[in-house]
Amino acid sequence: EVQLVESGGGLVQPGGSLRLSCAGSGLIFSQYAMSWVRQAPGKGLEWVAALSGSGEITYYADSVKGRFTISRDNSKNTLFLQMNNLRAEDTGLYYCAKGQGIIVPTASVDWGQGTRVTVSS
Amino acid sequence: DIQMTQSPSSVSASVGDRVTITCRASKGISSWLAWYQQKPGKAPELLIFVASTLQSGVPSRFSGSGSGTDFTLTISNLQPEDSATYYCQQTHSFPYTFGQGTKLQIK
Repeated sequence: EVQLVESGGGLVQPGGSLRLSCAGSGLIFSQYAMSWVRQAPGKGLEWVAALSGSGEITYYADSVKGRFTISRDNSKNTLFLQMNNLRAEDTGLYYCAKGQGIIVPTASVDWGQGTRVTVSS
Repeated sequence: DIQMTQSPSSVSASVGDRVTITCRASKGISSWLAWYQQKPGKAPELLIFVASTLQSGVPSRFSGSGSGTDFTLTISNLQPEDSATYYCQQTHSFPYTFGQGTKLQIK
């Protein structure tokens, strides 16, 4: 059974930074592209970023490009999201999700339970 | 970016009914469309991918159709546990985008 467990969320001031982690188990981690998806309080889903299985190819939403960096450590089965220059509109629940493919994720098959990020002064 | 528009935003139906949710893409995405179900306080779950392929373990009362720009999710024989918000997502090109969601209430 695939399990994805996010961590690293918290309260941060505008302009601050956070690093989210997503630990995977029950899968050959390097064989899957992964995504981060977020959900603002009471709102819909927003795709944030994705990363190929090797970690060499990245994709970002325009809203986070230049501020967020997605990466992975396949030796530790862990996905990361480094978030810099955070804004109030980055507040939400951040999910990591396992895709179907190795280069691009396509549909997200498995999801973690999310880690909450609050950007407020 | 490709915009995804779902309709209706909310729908109410009774147990045993059939419900159809529509998703329209702002440009052609072939069959690169996924549908997700999200219950309150829970992570989304994949229902259907490439427009019409049922994810393993998903009840057969869920079905998807369409290609190009117009897609539908149909839920037949509604059950109480189908009460949830449903999202479409295009996986044709980056940035991947979601529809705004359709909230399904069981009367």
